[in-house]
Amino acid sequence: GNSVTQMEGPVTLSEEAFLTINCTYTATGYPSLFWYVQYPGEGLQLLLKATKADDKGSNKGFEATYRKETTSFHLEKGSVQVSDSAVYFCALRTLYAGGTSYGKLTFGQGTILTVHP
Amino acid sequence: GAGVSQSPSNKVTEKGKDVELRCDPISGHTALYWYRQSLGQGLEFLIYFQGNSAPDKSGLPSDRFSAERTGGSVSTLTIQRTQQEDSAVYLCASSLEVQGTYGYTFGSGTRLTVV
Repeated sequence: GNSVTQMEGPVTLSEEAFLTINCTYTATGYPSLFWYVQYPGEGLQLLLKATKADDKGSNKGFEATYRKETTSFHLEKGSVQVSDSAVYFCALRTLYAGGTSYGKLTFGQGTILTVHP
Repeated sequence: GAGVSQSPSNKVTEKGKDVELRCDPISGHTALYWYRQSLGQGLEFLIYFQGNSAPDKSGLPSDRFSAERTGGSVSTLTIQRTQQEDSAVYLCASSLEVQGTYGYTFGSGTRLTVV
């Protein structure tokens, strides 16, 4: 089956520090990979995605590269801001015919990020 | 509509009562999903709809939980005889297609508290 493993949090950083949140996956079929963000008191928002190997998704200064050889999709940002404080979820969807998991998003446990001024 | 709409946004109910949670997806989105987010937990898949049918109900925690979707649009998640462990945020999401290259658009959720 499909699964996503995120680095355990919480993660606490000072403003302008470098951020890495690790994400690895196992999947049946060829997955598309996503990062979602949940700001305090808000719903989940799609942050970025990548649909094939070596693709790089990017948004709001965040980046993640689809690494098929290491089954990873680590999230990075060069200089975090206080406004980046949120919960970050790594997720995958697989493309395959048949079965009942077709198109279902599988999420990691989430990583809480707190950025201090 | 412009986004995924869920109602109510908050619901407090007494243990043993039934509750209905509503989701109105983005117009034209054929795939609809229900997830549950408990305090300190990740996102737990409950059920998936393609049109009005539910090919995957594998995440429903017990037979007290049921869901339906009508007209390929609005979905209702019903919890019968609520228990305290049902307290969570229930999230609905819709997607343009099933095949997976798109992410989901989530609603803001219904926060259910069973007292």
